Amino acid sequence: AQSVTQLDSHVSVSEGTPVLLRCNYSSSYSPSLFWYVQHPNKGLQLLLKYTSAATLVKGINGFEAEFKKSETSFHLTKPSAHMSDAAEYFCVVSGVGNDMRFGAGTRLTVKP
Amino acid sequence: GAVVSQHPSRVICKSGTSVKIECRSLDFQATTMFWYRQFPKQSLMLMATSNEGSKATYEQGVEKDKFLINHASLTLSTLTVTSAHPEDSSFYICSGLGGSGTEAFFGQGTRLTVV
Repeated sequence: AQSVTQLDSHVSVSEGTPVLLRCNYSSSYSPSLFWYVQHPNKGLQLLLKYTSAATLVKGINGFEAEFKKSETSFHLTKPSAHMSDAAEYFCVVSGVGNDMRFGAGTRLTVKP
Repeated sequence: GAVVSQHPSRVICKSGTSVKIECRSLDFQATTMFWYRQFPKQSLMLMATSNEGSKATYEQGVEKDKFLINHASLTLSTLTVTSAHPEDSSFYICSGLGGSGTEAFFGQGTRLTVV
């Protein structure tokens, strides 16, 4: 069975500084990995996805993530945080059955 | 990307009544749909997986007689919360698996409040 672990429940950064949200995965098969963002009382928005193509994946709003098989990691980064980035972020793994398993989430706070 | 429409976005019902939530794939055929539940400040928990024309597969701990899932067509799946109780109050989200089979598209969610 596949699963993901988001290593930080809460990350706080200052506006203009880099963002790092950490995610480790566990999967018996070659996984597909995703990062979603959820703003308060809103639905989910896909930021980016990895599906066995390039290991460095670029997403929307300046986010990117690197798939590292040796470390079983898929960390999300952004060079410079904006106030509008404050939200809940979910790392998600999809396995053979295509069912998507969510991490516990990381709440990103951006300070002015 | 493909669009999944979920309706209603919010519903308030009395304890003991049933509520139906619809999930429609508008521009693709979703052979598989997933239903999730999200408690406040928590992650999404997969409740069940439904394939068109067959019975849904429920995750451990999810009562299949309480959360009835119907996936009668390639564009519509419904979740009915039967005999709702206040503890069923939650945010319910559906997703449909598109033709590529690698990405699911999410509805906007339904906030259910049972009073």
